[in-house]
Amino acid sequence: KAGVTQTPRYLIKTRGQQVTLSCSPISGHRSVSWYQQTPGQGLQFLFEYFSETQRNKGNFPGRFSGRQFSNSRSEMNVSTLELGDSALYLCASSQRTSLTGELFFGEGSRLTVL
Amino acid sequence: EDKVVQSPLSLVVHEGDTVTLNCSYEVTNFRSLLWYKQEKKAPTFLFMLTSSGIEKKSGRLSSILDKKELFSILNITATQTGDSAIYLCAVQGGSEKLVFGKGTKLTVNP
Repeated sequence: KAGVTQTPRYLIKTRGQQVTLSCSPISGHRSVSWYQQTPGQGLQFLFEYFSETQRNKGNFPGRFSGRQFSNSRSEMNVSTLELGDSALYLCASSQRTSLTGELFFGEGSRLTVL
Repeated sequence: EDKVVQSPLSLVVHEGDTVTLNCSYEVTNFRSLLWYKQEKKAPTFLFMLTSSGIEKKSGRLSSILDKKELFSILNITATQTGDSAIYLCAVQGGSEKLVFGKGTKLTVNP
């Protein structure tokens, strides 16, 4: 069974640009959550999608957005990039909602903003 | 605001040692506490705890939750170099969001 797949794995952008990250969950999983991981702040929750609906949202500015498609694949978008957006972005999937607790994480997308 | 504090932030031990990692939390309407291991990139699930006093065990790893004192510990006995990783603690409360601590970086030297 394939795991959670995130693309791209690494990317470099400049301030002001925008970026789109993709996440394909484990087959049969309907919930996808996104997290930002930085050395100073640790793992911070961005948002969760379940059956194409955003269930929950973290405390991030409106520049961070996401969506989920009918096949459960999810994308997140960051517009007007800032230096502080440099981070590892992790996606996690679960069969039901994240209430079940057991999340399966992808390897992440490492974003560097110059 | 929900909060998770892990200690120590960093720990270096020798193979064979026993370690105890701590996680304290403040959360509204506690639902569960989870432990993850992050070796390179993807955190992997270790335990989910919902009830006080019931130890969860998997091989050399075990964990227990104290809902009265609002903390959990993760024990690793007879440590091996393969246990070197960042151990993450997360709690889920009424908001349903998973709130993570900053992690404990464990280094096991041969």
